[in-house]
Amino acid sequence: ILNVEQSPQSLHVQEGDSTNFTCSFPSSNFYALHWYRWETAKSPEALFVMTLNGDEKKKGRISATLNTKEGYSYLYIKGSQPEDSATYLCAFWGAQKLVFGQGTRLTINP
Amino acid sequence: DGGITQSPKYLFRKEGQNVTLSCEQNLNHDAMYWYRQDPGQGLRLIYYSQIVNDFQKGDIAEGYSVSREKKESFPLTVTSAQKNPTAFYLCASSFGQGANYGYTFGSGTRLTVV
Repeated sequence: ILNVEQSPQSLHVQEGDSTNFTCSFPSSNFYALHWYRWETAKSPEALFVMTLNGDEKKKGRISATLNTKEGYSYLYIKGSQPEDSATYLCAFWGAQKLVFGQGTRLTINP
Repeated sequence: DGGITQSPKYLFRKEGQNVTLSCEQNLNHDAMYWYRQDPGQGLRLIYYSQIVNDFQKGDIAEGYSVSREKKESFPLTVTSAQKNPTAFYLCASSFGQGANYGYTFGSGTRLTVV
């Protein structure tokens, strides 16, 4: 059974602060790691698809790093804004399908 | 604009009834997926389809059925055999069925058994 763990489960951050959270996944048979942002009442939106060890991806104030040898990825948000409030999902590609973590729910306090 | 449309947004079902959730995409994507979300859990795969007239069971297929008669459409039927159908259901699609293809999601259907 493929296990994808995200921590913390929820996080409250002050507007303007930077934050990060973690996705842990199996370190063997790695193909890809996906990150999605899911705002309340909207559809999950793809942020990054990461495939190589050491990959770093960036989209505005959001960036992600990947360590396939130890099985983790970090998502960073710099200078948090209220519109960053969302649940962030990571998903590991394994056994011909995406396996999702339970998500990190981020709330930005104004 | 291209996207995925799920309907209805909310659905109430009496115990013992079958219900069908609609998922339509106009992205010309080959692969389509159905996921279920329960509180405190990650999205779990119910069924997926890589091409028309072909589909495979995911991790929790029992009590569900699907069809893929058209590329654009992948309806999910929740049958009376599904023991705990109350959940949030998400449909997704991707250009191909491989590790590098990001998913596009619909906005979901919340099913409640009354």
